[in-house]
Amino acid sequence: SQKIEQNSEALNIQEGKTATLTCNYTNYSPAYLQWYRQDPGRGPVFLLLIRENEKEKRKERLKVTFDTTLKQSLFHITASQPADSATYLCALEQNQAGTALIFGKGTTLSVSS
Amino acid sequence: DARVTQTPRHKVTEMGQEVTMRCQPILGHNTVFWYRQTMMQGLELLAYFRNRAPLDDSGMPKDRFSAEMPDATLATLKIQPSEPRDSAVYFCASGLDAVSYTFGSGTRLTVV
Repeated sequence: SQKIEQNSEALNIQEGKTATLTCNYTNYSPAYLQWYRQDPGRGPVFLLLIRENEKEKRKERLKVTFDTTLKQSLFHITASQPADSATYLCALEQNQAGTALIFGKGTTLSVSS
Repeated sequence: DARVTQTPRHKVTEMGQEVTMRCQPILGHNTVFWYRQTMMQGLELLAYFRNRAPLDDSGMPKDRFSAEMPDATLATLKIQPSEPRDSAVYFCASGLDAVSYTFGSGTRLTVV
């Protein structure tokens, strides 16, 4: 079954800069990939979904790319703010039967003012 | 805003006791997941229901864990007997046709 790696456990950047988080998967290319945000003591919150035939998707200051050749998704937050500080999780389907979502361990982003 | 409701929010129990966690999914959602989150392992999938039918519970220790959906408004996760290694935050999530999932606030379980 699928394995997900989010390369950085923690990322520290200054306010106003662009944060770039990486998600790599190991096996077949999934039909879609999702990104979630999790704040301490809360459940994950859905941010964006990108499908295999989409190279890029944007939502306000967020941008996600999906490269099925590299088996990688990049998640960008432009003009980052301290309020963007949280853990960001990548998720995709567990196997080709299209069953449950599995998650990476996440990258904790800290944006300092 | 519609939300997934989990009860209890916190539970402290002694080793060997039965623990039941409850989840009320969003009305109309046809898919329900149970996940467990720890610092070491991250979010681990335990069980998965679609239209109330269990589809995948391969992530669950079968000898002590059980998951059910007695009706469309209630999902339960039971641990019997509980062990200290079960201490974690347990999340329920619901969704419709795999577009996105809404998570509850979780049940923080401590087994002493």
